[in-house]
Amino acid sequence: EAQVTQNPRYLITVTGKKLTVTCSQNMNHEYMSWYRQDPGLGLRQIYYSMNVEVTDKGDVPEGYKVSRKEKRNFPLILESPSPNQTSLYFCASGDRDSRQETQYFGPGTRLLVL
Amino acid sequence: AQSVAQPEDQVNVAEGNPLTVKCTYSVSGNPYLFWYVQYPNRGLQFLLKYITGDNLVKGSYGFEAEFNKSQTSFHLKKPSALVSDSALYFCAVRDPNGGYQKVTFGTGTKLQVIP
Repeated sequence: EAQVTQNPRYLITVTGKKLTVTCSQNMNHEYMSWYRQDPGLGLRQIYYSMNVEVTDKGDVPEGYKVSRKEKRNFPLILESPSPNQTSLYFCASGDRDSRQETQYFGPGTRLLVL
Repeated sequence: AQSVAQPEDQVNVAEGNPLTVKCTYSVSGNPYLFWYVQYPNRGLQFLLKYITGDNLVKGSYGFEAEFNKSQTSFHLKKPSALVSDSALYFCAVRDPNGGYQKVTFGTGTKLQVIP
């Protein structure tokens, strides 16, 4: 089954404790992206990657890091989480060479930073 | 800079009635437009898109959307609402002159279909 998976689905942590949210896709997509969803603000892009070892900032990259060492994986790293990073996070992937222009989203990771 | 507006935070409609979820956009050039749906505790799912061609686009689950260039709108419609259509709907826009990654999402509209 074609899918984007994220782990963990729920996470409670404390300020300053480094964490990683994993994202994996099995569709051989070149494009992957991270979004955060906040009430009243919709989805905002954090980082994206057009291919292995190619990443770039989205609209709200502060406080986040990413890496793309393999095509299928695109982890999101919070080196020193703060309460304002409490949010719902989504990973997405897409085939950038396709005319489909469709993104496929993971189920989301709900993060609470105390 | 491109942007998209969903003017209604919530839309309530009775089951069986037609529904409309509004979206307006701002982008230079001809836009690529999308609708996604998010069911509770799920990720976003693609519904439909407008890239070029016929202004009336048909998508999944009986939904359709009409591209109106003069009004810069891309409203989502369905002739007869189902309770199962209750979800959060996102409109999105991409400037075709920008990169594939430059998709901007709206703030979302919660659709509540009342039995």
